Amino acid sequence: RKEVEQDPGPFNVPEGATVAFNCTYSNSASQSFFWYRQDCRKEPKLLMSVYSSGNEDGRFTAQLNRASQYISLLIRDSKLSDSATYLCVVNDTNTGNQFYFGTGTSLTVIP
Amino acid sequence: DVKVTQSSRYLVKRTGEKVFLECVQDMDHENMFWYRQDPGLGLRLIYFSYDVKMKEKGDIPEGYSVSREKKERFSLILESASTNQTSMYLCASSPAFEGVYSGANVLTFGAGSRLTVL
Repeated sequence: RKEVEQDPGPFNVPEGATVAFNCTYSNSASQSFFWYRQDCRKEPKLLMSVYSSGNEDGRFTAQLNRASQYISLLIRDSKLSDSATYLCVVNDTNTGNQFYFGTGTSLTVIP
Repeated sequence: DVKVTQSSRYLVKRTGEKVFLECVQDMDHENMFWYRQDPGLGLRLIYFSYDVKMKEKGDIPEGYSVSREKKERFSLILESASTNQTSMYLCASSPAFEGVYSGANVLTFGAGSRLTVL
């Protein structure tokens, strides 16, 4: 079983739509959680850390559900510039501070 | 602006050649990582290092070695390149773990090195 699983999509949504991505992780002892964004042929870049109380950054909201071991990302009022692949990342310091990646969810925002 | 710098963005090598991929970070991070990324497979960890002269195997270390002689530099070596090592290679670094939910142990990536082995 993979450490981190994501629906690969693709998600094709119109501008202005709200879209949600989910991610599940297998290790209940995992301690830190992140969403990264990766543009085509570029490196992943941190979008936001995910805190247990949930956190919001503008149009982006991240949630963590420890009991169900899933992480979510909500994007409101989608922009064309949001088109990218979104990677769910889990950090497990119990295995030596390793980071585990989902395979990514592809989003295309359509005019 | 803090950075992770990879020396080569694009390389083309022949089967059997020795390949060096260099990575330097200026954030004084303890941890450094080498990943490869292939379509449909996501990022896979090759090797990582928590300290100078220290290295640990990741999920796919076969055919690779690493060197960390200085804190800021982590090199990936392909002793004898093969066509199945054609890939995007990503170096990353992170600070030492500081605590649960600190959010500080963020992974920062270099721009990547796209290697083609003919």
